[in-house]
Amino acid sequence: GIQVEQSPPDLILQEGANSTLRCNFSDSVNNLQWFHQNPWGQLINLFYIPSGTKQNGRLSATTVATERYSLLYISSSQTTDSGVYFCAGAYGGATNKLIFGTGTLLAVQP
Amino acid sequence: DTAVSQTPKYLVTQMGNDKSIKCEQNLGHDTMYWYKQDSKKFLKIMFSYNNKELIINETVPNRFSPKSPDKAHLNLHINSLELGDSAVYFCASSHPDREYGYTFGSGTRLTVV
Repeated sequence: GIQVEQSPPDLILQEGANSTLRCNFSDSVNNLQWFHQNPWGQLINLFYIPSGTKQNGRLSATTVATERYSLLYISSSQTTDSGVYFCAGAYGGATNKLIFGTGTLLAVQP
Repeated sequence: DTAVSQTPKYLVTQMGNDKSIKCEQNLGHDTMYWYKQDSKKFLKIMFSYNNKELIINETVPNRFSPKSPDKAHLNLHINSLELGDSAVYFCASSHPDREYGYTFGSGTRLTVV
């Protein structure tokens, strides 16, 4: 089946540090999105990023569709950035069927 | 105003019982979903409805039955609950313009004892 792998699986940062999270897809994807699941379990949509680069405050994302990967950059991390980051994409004509990655668990320490 | 709301937030029940989870969205989206998140945080799609019509039905036991009375509501009914059904169930909705991405509810933590 389709594989969506994220790295690293776990990451611990000191407040103020920068980080890059990676998402690799085993096949071409559409409808690519990044989500943050906060420690209370709420899933928040961060980016819809099928290709190119987008920025929102301290977060930015880049997708290179031809090479089947996407990156999420977190700059000047804060403790509120802690949680699990997921990427997700859809394949072929099933554009509504998002397949989620394995997630990156981020802990930002003060 | 909550965009996608699920009730209840927590549900503890005994094996063999039947339970329902309700979901409502006030975003005017056409498509709604149910996702299951297991104990390892893995998220998997279960069902999707577009304008009250079932469009995605993953390999889910037929004890799970979704119902969409209108495009703003998607409920999930589970019969004969089993221990393995314990998980967090998320409802979500999406706009036809994919630029807006998916909006998730806050989840329902189901514990079967």
